[in-house]
Amino acid sequence: EPEVTQTPSHQVTQMGQEVILRCVPISNHLYFYWYRQILGQKVEFLVSFYNNEISEKSEIFDDQFSVERPDGSNFTLKIRSTKLEDSAMYFCASSALGTGDTQYFGPGTRLTVL
Amino acid sequence: RKEVEQDPGPFNVPEGATVAFNCTYSNSASQSFFWYRQDCRKEPKLLMSVYSSGNEDGRFTAQLNRASQYISLLIRDSKLSDSATYLCVVNGGYNKLIFGAGTRLAVHP
Repeated sequence: EPEVTQTPSHQVTQMGQEVILRCVPISNHLYFYWYRQILGQKVEFLVSFYNNEISEKSEIFDDQFSVERPDGSNFTLKIRSTKLEDSAMYFCASSALGTGDTQYFGPGTRLTVL
Repeated sequence: RKEVEQDPGPFNVPEGATVAFNCTYSNSASQSFFWYRQDCRKEPKLLMSVYSSGNEDGRFTAQLNRASQYISLLIRDSKLSDSATYLCVVNGGYNKLIFGAGTRLAVHP
């Protein structure tokens, strides 16, 4: 069964450093997403991406965040200057279609900012 | 009012029990509804979509009441492997999923 993959599984970084989280969505999917989950809290939407453009972003997704689809398979989330409060599990998801379609989640990258 | 609100749990039930989870959502324009399951420190996995007519998948039954903005999940004949956090999820438009905080279920022998 096709699945979303993410690398690395765990990233430790110093405050102020840039990090890039990588995702490979399911191959025939057209819609891509990033969510985050701070430990003990609910899953929160960050951004949706379709046709090489951001479709929607949340208040969390400020100027420190960016997304890119650099090639036909990868989808990345960059945090330019990490803060302590960016420590969380970051989940990538993809769906074949848009609104209403099932989103499939990757295993997540645990980001720890020291 | 929270966008998606769930029973906080935890629910501690013996194997074989029937357990029901409830969820309410605030946006009456929401069109798509889901139950996801999340194991500790793992990704959310789709359990089932929820339709107005109600739907069943084996031991799991989901119901949607649009008038009351209420979603439910019923698990019959609970198994130890059902122990997890159950997430009520609503599509918030533009493919944005809005998650509830989750209800923890612990099934014991």
